[in-house]
Amino acid sequence: QLQLQESGPGLVKPSETLSLTCTVSGDSISSSSYYWGWIRQPPGKGLEWIGSIYHSGNTYYSPSLKSRVTISVDTSKNHISLKLSSVTAADTAVYYCAREGIWDHWGQGTLVTVSS
Amino acid sequence: QAVVTQEPSLTVSPGGTVTLTCGSSTGTVTSGHYFYWFQQKPGQAPKTLIYDTSNKHSWTPARFSGSLLGGKAALTLSGAQPEDEADYYCLFSYNGGRPVFGGGTKLTVL
Repeated sequence: QLQLQESGPGLVKPSETLSLTCTVSGDSISSSSYYWGWIRQPPGKGLEWIGSIYHSGNTYYSPSLKSRVTISVDTSKNHISLKLSSVTAADTAVYYCAREGIWDHWGQGTLVTVSS
Repeated sequence: QAVVTQEPSLTVSPGGTVTLTCGSSTGTVTSGHYFYWFQQKPGQAPKTLIYDTSNKHSWTPARFSGSLLGGKAALTLSGAQPEDEADYYCLFSYNGGRPVFGGGTKLTVL
């Protein structure tokens, strides 16, 4: 049974870097033919695709976030990571990871609040 | 980057039929354009209902179907149930482009 679990600090100060990890169980990222993505949802608002990564390290980013986003993969730990720099209150959101392609699996999401 | 549009809200009667649509600023859908539909209930992660425009997952209730309609992607709910009240999001993906979510449709079953 494939499961994705996001983890990381729930509170980040403005101007700092948000860092999250998505741990995958039940499937090997290194042998998967899917991209693994990050999506966020500000409170009360819609979904926003942030970016995605393949096990080779190939990445795609949202043009609106590209200058601040880095997504990486660690196949030995079977997880992907998200870093978002220079955060502001507008980056407060629930952050999800998901297996792209047929989009069949999502993590439960983790709320990150940007506040001093 | 494409802009994806959805109806902000729709209402359907229990047992009724409703169609949600998803349009992209790239114009009429062609090959190489892919649409996905997600259902999200309060406090929950999105759940994928439809992938590649018209394919259902094993957990997708039979009353949901995906199609192309008038140059847009469409999600049709036939025989609405109270538990179908939720937010529905469309995701548009195309070759060479980045995936883009629509703004979502709030579906009320009333």
